[in-house]
Amino acid sequence: DTGVSQNPRHKITKRGQNVTFRCDPISEHNRLYWYRQTLGQGPEFLTYFQNEAQLEKSRLLSDRFSAERPKGSFSTLEIQRTEQGDSAMYLCASSLASGWDTEAFFGQGTRLTVV
Amino acid sequence: AQSVTQLGSHVSVSEGALVLLRCNYSSSVPPYLFWYVQYPNQGLQLLLKYTSAATLVKGINGFEAEFKKSETSFHLTKPSAHMSDAAEYFCAVSPMEYGNKLVFGAGTILRVKS
Repeated sequence: DTGVSQNPRHKITKRGQNVTFRCDPISEHNRLYWYRQTLGQGPEFLTYFQNEAQLEKSRLLSDRFSAERPKGSFSTLEIQRTEQGDSAMYLCASSLASGWDTEAFFGQGTRLTVV
Repeated sequence: AQSVTQLGSHVSVSEGALVLLRCNYSSSVPPYLFWYVQYPNQGLQLLLKYTSAATLVKGINGFEAEFKKSETSFHLTKPSAHMSDAAEYFCAVSPMEYGNKLVFGAGTILRVKS
């Protein structure tokens, strides 16, 4: 068990460019979550998958954001036409689909800076 | 909708002193509550969780939290602070909706003075 892995750790991009982040969850975990964390705030839920199905999207997830989990394993989060307001830490977490108290394991995050 | 309020964005204690980080929740049903810790440039690590089995919950690194329904609180404590406890702490609630997503508070940065 190597934990949740996110790549890249840091990304600097120019406004208007597209970026893609990858998350590799813990291998036996069937749920995968994306959160966004801005400076001075707690993580905010963006979306989650159970296996390959995207089951919920937050209203924070504008049309410029898209997430996939094609084979129920790794996931990608793409932001199109980045804006300065997209600068944040993007966190991925994974868990087993079971009780309400199931622990979510977080990756180290991808820090996005839009200049 | 469920929400979490963490009182005090920054808390400073001396090494060896009591740590008290405050969390109040808003929930229409008995919640599941969590405390996570985040070290600089790291992901979140679970410290402890309340799942209705016991109101006093013990976690890792000597931390514990007490669920008080009458006060809608879930404060985090540690009897004696260590320099390595300096980090940001997040209280979170599970809305108990399908999917187990978490709703986090804004966080409290703990500073430990030598």
